Amino acid sequence: GQQVMQIPQYQHVQEGEDFTTYCNSSTTLSNIQWYKQRPGGHPVFLIQLVKSGEVKKQKRLTFQFGEAKKNSSLHITATQTTDVGTYFCAGPHYNTDKLIFGTGTRLQVFP
Amino acid sequence: DAGVIQSPRHEVTEMGQEVTLRCKPISGHDYLFWYRQTMMRGLELLIYFNNNVPIDDSGMPEDRFSAKMPNASFSTLKIQPSEPRDSAVYFCASSFKGVSTDTQYFGPGTRLTVL
Repeated sequence: GQQVMQIPQYQHVQEGEDFTTYCNSSTTLSNIQWYKQRPGGHPVFLIQLVKSGEVKKQKRLTFQFGEAKKNSSLHITATQTTDVGTYFCAGPHYNTDKLIFGTGTRLQVFP
Repeated sequence: DAGVIQSPRHEVTEMGQEVTLRCKPISGHDYLFWYRQTMMRGLELLIYFNNNVPIDDSGMPEDRFSAKMPNASFSTLKIQPSEPRDSAVYFCASSFKGVSTDTQYFGPGTRLTVL
């Protein structure tokens, strides 16, 4: 079946360092969404990308959708302790339209 | 707006007992989703409703799980009988107009522990 994988699974960084998580789908996606889940919290929508090669920025966060629309990345510049959490990408199932969530990348930031 | 509301926030029960989880979606949202999150399986969609009608329940693990949405402002997920492997965090989410093209707003979740 369709899979959405993310790497790395875990990332520990020193505050101020950059962080990148990569999302790879086994099928082409019409769009991709990114969510953040704080420890003990619930997923919160960050952004949606639709166009091939699209790049969007939110302050220190940069999101990119691959040219083939099968991969995406989230880059955080100069991490802060408030960035701690698990970042999920999610894309539509290829024939049911359900949202398939990636495996997630858990980010820990040390002060 | 109050956001998606779920109750209870925590539930501890013994194997074999019936468990009912409740959700109130954001007013005006046409779609309601039930997800389960575990370390092993991640975030899985169990079932979703459109305008109170169940559309896709292919993610429901087995007959012990059932979900209803009697009106636009209320949904339940029931497990009967519960088993230890059902222990997980169950999230309810809602969206305005779409399944995978619209933002999904998640509730705080119900952490279920089955002993």
